[in-house]
Amino acid sequence: EAGVAQSPRYKIIEKRQSVAFWCNPISGHATLYWYQQILGQGPKLLIQFQNNGVVDDSQLPKDRFSAERLKGVDSTLKIQPAKLEDSAVYLCASSLDPGLYPIQYFGAGTRLSVL
Amino acid sequence: AQTVTQSQPEMSVQEAETVTLSCTYDTSESNYYLFWYKQPPSRQMILVIRQEAYKQQNATENRFSVNFQKAAKSFSLKISDSQLGDTAMYFCAFMKPRYGGSQGNLIFGKGTKLSVKP
Repeated sequence: EAGVAQSPRYKIIEKRQSVAFWCNPISGHATLYWYQQILGQGPKLLIQFQNNGVVDDSQLPKDRFSAERLKGVDSTLKIQPAKLEDSAVYLCASSLDPGLYPIQYFGAGTRLSVL
Repeated sequence: AQTVTQSQPEMSVQEAETVTLSCTYDTSESNYYLFWYKQPPSRQMILVIRQEAYKQQNATENRFSVNFQKAAKSFSLKISDSQLGDTAMYFCAFMKPRYGGSQGNLIFGKGTKLSVKP
């Protein structure tokens, strides 16, 4: 079974530029999560999708971050414009159904450096 | 709001020995899940072990076991017969079940960097 796929692995941009990350969850997983992991900290949830609907985006900086999950499968996370403090690893995770089976499976993440 | 605290930023252990990583959490919930995830330098988070709060028996997965003390809100991870491949960041995480308004997302601690020395 294929795992959670993310691309790119690394991205370097200058501040005020835009960037997009892509995630393809495990087949059949209805729930998809985007986490931000700043160096030296644990991951923090940015947004959670159930199929193609948003169920929690309370910690997403909506003035610069956006995310979509069209057709309820893969998802993109965009930052525009990027700030220095957005330098972090962006992790995508998926789960079958958190109500029935609480395990989240993670991708390898995208490391973003904002210069 | 729930919080997770890992008080050991770094630990080291000799190969084949046993090490225990600490985790405490704060919640007013009675039913929840607790997890230990491992993050090697490749960055991919890998589930090590999970515990349901309603279960009194401590979870065990091969060389990994937990000491779950619900009243004390403590959830430590014991790694027996440590191997070089156990070198990684270890994160303790809390999850409220998905009912009563919770969406089932994970709340992580800051992590403990474990080094296994040959």
